[in-house]
Amino acid sequence: EPEVTQTPSHQVTQMGQEVILRCVPISNHLYFYWYRQILGQKVEFLVSFYNNEISEKSEIFDDQFSVERPDGSNFTLKIRSTKLEDSAMYFCASSATGGIQPQHFGDGTRLSIL
Amino acid sequence: SQQGEEDPQALSIQEGENATMNCSYKTSINNLQWYRQNSGRGLVHLILIRSNEREKHSGRLRVTLDTSKKSSSLLITASRAADTASYFCATDSGAQKLVFGQGTRLTINP
Repeated sequence: EPEVTQTPSHQVTQMGQEVILRCVPISNHLYFYWYRQILGQKVEFLVSFYNNEISEKSEIFDDQFSVERPDGSNFTLKIRSTKLEDSAMYFCASSATGGIQPQHFGDGTRLSIL
Repeated sequence: SQQGEEDPQALSIQEGENATMNCSYKTSINNLQWYRQNSGRGLVHLILIRSNEREKHSGRLRVTLDTSKKSSSLLITASRAADTASYFCATDSGAQKLVFGQGTRLTINP
């Protein structure tokens, strides 16, 4: 069964450094998402992406965050200058369409900011 | 916000028993979805119920939706040790974003 893959599984970065989290969505899916889960808290929506544009973003997704689909398979989340509070699990998801469809999640990247 | 809130926060039952988890939300929705998360893993989609549906089944799973009460329940019948996980409801207002609840941590004791 096709799946969403994320790399790396764990990223440790110094505060203030840039970090790029990578995702390969399911190949025929058109909608892509990033969520995060701070330890012990809810999964929170960050951004949705369709047709090479951001469809919707949350208040969390400020100017420090950006997303890109650099080629036909990868979908990346960049945090420009990381803060301690950016430490979390980051999940990528994709869905076939934007209608009433389940979203398929990767196993996440654990980001630790020191 | 339209956050889903699950209860109980934690549930521990014996293998073979049924497990029921509840979810409440605040605003109108397009659909509601249930996900499972095993420790250290991603979210696995279990079942989606549309706002005009009242009940849906998938194998040992049964989901109900009461839009008048803004609530949903997930029933897992004949539980197994492998069902041990956290379960989340997520609401979708049609804006291509899911709003998750806090989750129920389910433990199935052998």
